[in-house]
Amino acid sequence: GAVVSQHPSWVICKSGTSVKIECRSLDFQATTMFWYRQFPKQSLMLMATSNEGSKATYEQGVEKDKFLINHASLTLSTLTVTSAHPEDSSFYICSASLGGSAEKLFFGSGTQLSVL
Amino acid sequence: DAKTTQPTSMDCAEGRAANLPCNHSTISGNEYVYWYRQIHSQGPQYIIHGLKNNETNEMASLIITEDRKSSTLILPHATLRDTAVYYCIVSPPNTGNQFYFGTGTSLTVIP
Repeated sequence: GAVVSQHPSWVICKSGTSVKIECRSLDFQATTMFWYRQFPKQSLMLMATSNEGSKATYEQGVEKDKFLINHASLTLSTLTVTSAHPEDSSFYICSASLGGSAEKLFFGSGTQLSVL
Repeated sequence: DAKTTQPTSMDCAEGRAANLPCNHSTISGNEYVYWYRQIHSQGPQYIIHGLKNNETNEMASLIITEDRKSSTLILPHATLRDTAVYYCIVSPPNTGNQFYFGTGTSLTVIP
């Protein structure tokens, strides 16, 4: 099946700094990628839809100025958590689709962010 | 928002079939049913999906009721490695595949 690579797997940063997470589709081109956030013992929450060559679409309640998404190519989307605070500590997961009708999503392995 | 309800948790004996139910009573005619599972601290793994016919692959079987208001994921011979949270998702085609996850079912396979 298609492979989605996410990097880094985990990151620890100081409060106030910015962190960038990369999501790559390794063996296919993804016009659309998705970013999720998951807190401990909770389900995945869709944060935004990342469209190649255009602005991302954010879900209600997600701050677009805090979670910057760039999808500059068909194989790479990045999520930057700006001015991170301890409450931003979470498991961030990206996904991508092969496109087409009723196509399934492939997920990255996730990034555990801890903000001190 | 998620359009599915699932039991919070289930246990299954190793080697037995695990039957995981999902209710999606408000499903629309063109919405597919997808099943994913998530092992702790990993990204979700695709299992199976279907529209109205029953489906089977190397991992599982998906049984969708005739009125499509509910479905059951069947793991025919559960192993310890099948312990995970299982998510049932409904999503229409051609919407960019935006998946909204519900709370899922935490399946524990017992030796």
